Amino acid sequence: QKEVEQNSGPLSVPEGAIASLNCTYSDRGSQSFFWYRQYSGKSPELIMFIYSNGDKEDGRFTAQLNKASQYVSLLIRDSQPSDSATYLCAVRRSGANNLFFGTGTRLTVIP
Amino acid sequence: NAGVTQTPKFRILKIGQSMTLQCAQDMNHNYMYWYRQDPGMGLKLIYYSVGAGITDKGEVPNGYNVSRSTTEDFPLRLELAAPSQTSVYFCASSYEGGSNQPQHFGDGTRLSIL
Repeated sequence: QKEVEQNSGPLSVPEGAIASLNCTYSDRGSQSFFWYRQYSGKSPELIMFIYSNGDKEDGRFTAQLNKASQYVSLLIRDSQPSDSATYLCAVRRSGANNLFFGTGTRLTVIP
Repeated sequence: NAGVTQTPKFRILKIGQSMTLQCAQDMNHNYMYWYRQDPGMGLKLIYYSVGAGITDKGEVPNGYNVSRSTTEDFPLRLELAAPSQTSVYFCASSYEGGSNQPQHFGDGTRLSIL
């Protein structure tokens, strides 16, 4: 079983819609969860992180964490063509110094 | 503020050659990391360091070596390059390894082994 699993997509949504990106993780002791955005040919850039159950909002982005279900998601409201990228979910296990990354979900926002 | 700087940006090596990928950060971060990213895949940790003089293996360390003589620099050494090491290499840093400490990435080095 992979540490972090994401649907590779591609996920296509029309401009202005809500994009929902999902991630599951295998280690129940994982403590913190990160969403990175990676444009083609570029480096990952941090969008937001979450470590408490529930929702965390930052502008058009909302991260949702459910530790009981070992599930974390990212919602992008009012999606824009500039949101088209690969979104990487990363998890830090308890006591670990590094992050485990999923393979990413490719999102395309159609104008 | 430059953040994390990686050099070179691109490199082509022949099988069996060696090279060093450079990484420097100017954010006074204690933790530094090396990842590789193969096409369509996530990032795999090669090595990491929690401070000068301290390094540890990640998920895929074979064929690589690192050193950390200063807080700022964390070079990655490839010995006897193999085609399987063709990848994009990212260096990252964080202030510490705590739960809410994000990692900041460099622009990457695209390496091809032919």
